[in-house]
Amino acid sequence: ELKVEQNPLFLSMQEGKNYTIYCNYSTTSDRLYWYRQDPGKSLESLFVLLSNGAVKQEGRLMASLDTKARLSTLHITAAVHDLSATYFCAVDRDDKIIFGKGTRLHILP
Amino acid sequence: DTEVTQTPKHLVMGMTNKKSLKCEQHMGHRAMYWYKQKAKKPPELMFVYSYEKLSINESVPSRFSPECPNSSLLNLHLHALQPEDSALYLCASSQETGESNQPQHFGDGTRLSIL
Repeated sequence: ELKVEQNPLFLSMQEGKNYTIYCNYSTTSDRLYWYRQDPGKSLESLFVLLSNGAVKQEGRLMASLDTKARLSTLHITAAVHDLSATYFCAVDRDDKIIFGKGTRLHILP
Repeated sequence: DTEVTQTPKHLVMGMTNKKSLKCEQHMGHRAMYWYKQKAKKPPELMFVYSYEKLSINESVPSRFSPECPNSSLLNLHLHALQPEDSALYLCASSQETGESNQPQHFGDGTRLSIL
């Protein structure tokens, strides 16, 4: 059974700081996704990671994938208040997409 | 604004009512999905349609009945729901299941309350 674990589940940090969210999964997967969700809103796609060693960056966010360790990271550089949201990683195996529990990120101005 | 449109945005219904949730996309996507999301929880996959055929049913109770009339539309028919079915129901679409480097696009969801 595919399981996806994120940590931390809650993160409060100051603006300007760097931090990393971790996503571990239990079996091999076809794809790994990162999504952002604002309160009361839908999910916004951030990154799709396909292969070992993949790294993608968009603004202050950078995602990486290590398929051998079954680990993906989402790194936040010099956080700003606008990045406050819940971040989900999700793993796709055999067309079933399983989400991690999400990391609620609160960035203090 | 999202490219996946869900209606209604809010729905309150009694346990004996029959209602339907609707989802529409015009991106030419051939895969469509229903998810259920409870407050402060991740989305849970319910159904997957691929080329208008049901390909995955995640052991969803029969009081939820999906329908895909054509490649752009996805419905979720509701009947005799229980209070624990109150949640945000999200529709998503993607180019295809299987080999794709594209993400799923999510609608804004229907917030469902069962009285």
